[in-house]
Amino acid sequence: QKEVEQDPGPLSVPEGAIVSLNCTYSNSAFQYFMWYRQYSRKGPELLMYTYSSGNKEDGRFTAQVDKSSKYISLFIRDSQPSDSATYLCAMSVRGGIIQGAQKLVFGQGTRLTINP
Amino acid sequence: NAGVTQTPKFHILKIGQSMTLQCTQDMNHNYMYWYRQDPGMGLKLIYYSVGAGITDKGEVPNGYNVSRSTTEDFPLRLELAAPSQTSVYFCASTTGDHEQYFGPGTRLTVT
Repeated sequence: QKEVEQDPGPLSVPEGAIVSLNCTYSNSAFQYFMWYRQYSRKGPELLMYTYSSGNKEDGRFTAQVDKSSKYISLFIRDSQPSDSATYLCAMSVRGGIIQGAQKLVFGQGTRLTINP
Repeated sequence: NAGVTQTPKFHILKIGQSMTLQCTQDMNHNYMYWYRQDPGMGLKLIYYSVGAGITDKGEVPNGYNVSRSTTEDFPLRLELAAPSQTSVYFCASTTGDHEQYFGPGTRLTVT
């Protein structure tokens, strides 16, 4: 079983739709839960992060974490064509010989297309 | 600030050859990371480092080596390249909190 599971899609929705992206995980030691956005042929960029269970909102984006179910979600409201990208969930864990280093474990990524 | 820069952008390597992927950051970040991303997959950690001289293995370190002699640079060395190392390589840096800043990537093909 992979530590982080994410439906790879692809997901195609009309402009203005609400998009729901999800990941499940198995490692209870994960501390931070993040969503990265990656445009084609670019490096990932951090979209949102959260530490605790609950919701966190930033504009049209809402990140949701349920630690008891080991499940995280990203909701995009009023989706725009510019939101078309691959969305990667990532979770961090400390460990290894380097104190303080956060190691990220990524999901597979969901390719999202918003159609005008 | 240029952020995280990587060179080369693209490279084709023959099986058995060696090469070094370069990564430089100008944000004075202590922590630096190397990831690989295979088609349709997430990123997997190869090596990471804090400051000059301290490195540790990630999830997929076999076939790679790293060194860190300065805060700014974190080169990734491929020895005896194999087709399984065909991938997109991303370097990232951070102050140590949750947000990692990624470079634009190096697309490597081994044939």
